[in-house]
Amino acid sequence: GEDVEQSLFLSVREGDSSVINCTYTDSSSTYLYWYKQEPGAGLQLLTYIFSNMDMKQDQRLTVLLNKKDKHLSLRIADTQTGDSAIYFCAESLGYGNKLVFGAGTILRVKS
Amino acid sequence: EPEVTQTPSHQVTQMGQEVILRCVPISNHLYFYWYRQILGQKVEFLVSFYNNEISEKSEIFDDQFSVERPDGSNFTLKIRSTKLEDSAMYFCASSDFQSGGGPYEQYFGPGTRLTVT
Repeated sequence: GEDVEQSLFLSVREGDSSVINCTYTDSSSTYLYWYKQEPGAGLQLLTYIFSNMDMKQDQRLTVLLNKKDKHLSLRIADTQTGDSAIYFCAESLGYGNKLVFGAGTILRVKS
Repeated sequence: EPEVTQTPSHQVTQMGQEVILRCVPISNHLYFYWYRQILGQKVEFLVSFYNNEISEKSEIFDDQFSVERPDGSNFTLKIRSTKLEDSAMYFCASSDFQSGGGPYEQYFGPGTRLTVT
């Protein structure tokens, strides 16, 4: 079945890089996503990666995918206090399909 | 920028009562979803809806739950007889159809916090 696991908490200093890790079980996943949730807000899509890609860069965000190990990571360069939030990894089989979420990683950025 | 809206933001109800959670998806989107997040737990898929019918549902989505698109703009989730364990944040989402099998983005609303007492 589908399952997504994440580490629960990460604390970094402002200006450092943050790396949030995720593992998933469904090898037929087509797309993998990173969502951000700020307090009291909904889930905001940050970025996604197609399963035949190894890496995707989008400004300060870099997504790395190791399909063999079913491991996904999100690197945030030059982390700012405004990046403090919960980050969710999610997988899906393609459009119209449900998202399966991890439990979320709380990112705390210390100034 | 278009967004998904949900009402109410917080609903308190007594066990056994019916509740209807309302969502207005982004206007040109064709896929609609409900997810829930029990406090401290993962965001869980409940149901997806396309072309006026349920396309997929989870084990959580039992006979107590139903969804409806009563008009061209609203998408509702009804819980017929609420239980204490239905207390959660309920998120509505919508997505567009991507031709060619491209990636789709599910846009989430801010959620409705349901408290069953």
